[in-house]
Amino acid sequence: GAVVSQHPSWVICKSGTSVKIECRSLDFQATTMFWYRQFPKQSLMLMATSNEGSKATYEQGVEKDKFLINHASLTLSTLTVTSAHPEDSSFYICSASGRTSYEQYFGPGTRLTVT
Amino acid sequence: AQKITQTQPGMFVQEKEAVTLDCTYDTSDQSYGLFWYKQPSSGEMIFLIYQGSYDEQNATEGRYSLNFQKARKSANLVISASQLGDSAMYFCAMREGKNAGGTSYGKLTFGQGTILTVHP
Repeated sequence: GAVVSQHPSWVICKSGTSVKIECRSLDFQATTMFWYRQFPKQSLMLMATSNEGSKATYEQGVEKDKFLINHASLTLSTLTVTSAHPEDSSFYICSASGRTSYEQYFGPGTRLTVT
Repeated sequence: AQKITQTQPGMFVQEKEAVTLDCTYDTSDQSYGLFWYKQPSSGEMIFLIYQGSYDEQNATEGRYSLNFQKARKSANLVISASQLGDSAMYFCAMREGKNAGGTSYGKLTFGQGTILTVHP
């Protein structure tokens, strides 16, 4: 299947700082990318959907000013957690889909710990 | 209302036995897709199997098969001949239609997940 990478795979940051997570589709053009958040032993919760070249659509309850999403190209989307707090500590996973595929290809996830 | 329901928080199975993981869904769309993913402790989401709403045959992929009961709105995953490496969290997910105004397929909604433990 198609390959999606995420960087970094894990990050520890201090409270109040910002963290950027990258999601790349390595061998296909991702017209849509999705960002999920997952707490331990829980389900994936969709945070936002981004289409290349347009603003992201955020799910209800997700602060768009806190979780900045940029999808500047067909192979890269970034999630920036601004002014991170300990409650933002979580596992963040991106996925990507192309124009013709029904499938979403998931990245390996990024584990964020805010101290 | 919950769109995807997995009622089994945890399941245990003996190695080499078959196991069924339950999933029910709720949608008013005629066109939708159902997915099963495996998530081991490493966190990666591994795609297992897909069933389209118009597919008449149950999907099969190796040891995985999807028991699709459209009238009951259920899409149970059957794993045959369980292996120790099958121990993981399993998620059922549904995609409804397409992004409004877009060309890509719509977002996935996930169930709560089932933790499967395979005993030797």
